[in-house]
Amino acid sequence: GAGVSQSPSNKVTEKGKDVELRCDPISGHTALYWYRQSLGQGLEFLIYFQGNSAPDKSGLPSDRFSAERTGGSVSTLTIQRTQQEDSAVYLCASSLGTGDYEQYFGPGTRLTVT
Amino acid sequence: RKEVEQDPGPFNVPEGATVAFNCTYSNSASQSFFWYRQDCRKEPKLLMSVYSSGNEDGRFTAQLNRASQYISLLIRDSKLSDSATYLCVVNGGGSYIPTFGRGTSLIVHP
Repeated sequence: GAGVSQSPSNKVTEKGKDVELRCDPISGHTALYWYRQSLGQGLEFLIYFQGNSAPDKSGLPSDRFSAERTGGSVSTLTIQRTQQEDSAVYLCASSLGTGDYEQYFGPGTRLTVT
Repeated sequence: RKEVEQDPGPFNVPEGATVAFNCTYSNSASQSFFWYRQDCRKEPKLLMSVYSSGNEDGRFTAQLNRASQYISLLIRDSKLSDSATYLCVVNGGGSYIPTFGRGTSLIVHP
């Protein structure tokens, strides 16, 4: 079946511009996570959605970052007034639920802020 | 102390070698454990789950030691294609956010 998809695969933007990154999770997966990974670094948790519950935003690095998940499916991560330190690969993952369920990752969006 | 710790390596081994990685975790209430593989500039992919009784999949064996709070991954008969970063993931224990280790780099050379 179809895996997690993300778009765009690459995004180059100028400092100060806003960007939107999209994630389509696996159908039926109720949990959705956003991470970012800088070059040579580990995964940094950003935000988590589970069903209709309020999202866990504890990993968002600043108020320039926000995310929403419409209809319990597609999610959009928005970064306002981008900075060069926002340059990274943004990864989305989904899972059947929380707890013992493994995550499946999308291919990521490589964001470069110039 | 970091929640999940891994030796970053790199582990540089010849083809055919056996190599083992450990991953320690700090939350004794953790409930589920996984190994992921991440190739350069690619997304992490699930390699295997780690069960209390251990788990074997071909050349790969994963084990859990709850008393000492670590999980291990053993790779037998290493192939060039095994070269990647191996991420340890720990879940549960009061949080629904999986905790990822920083990964262990493996380089298999001819």
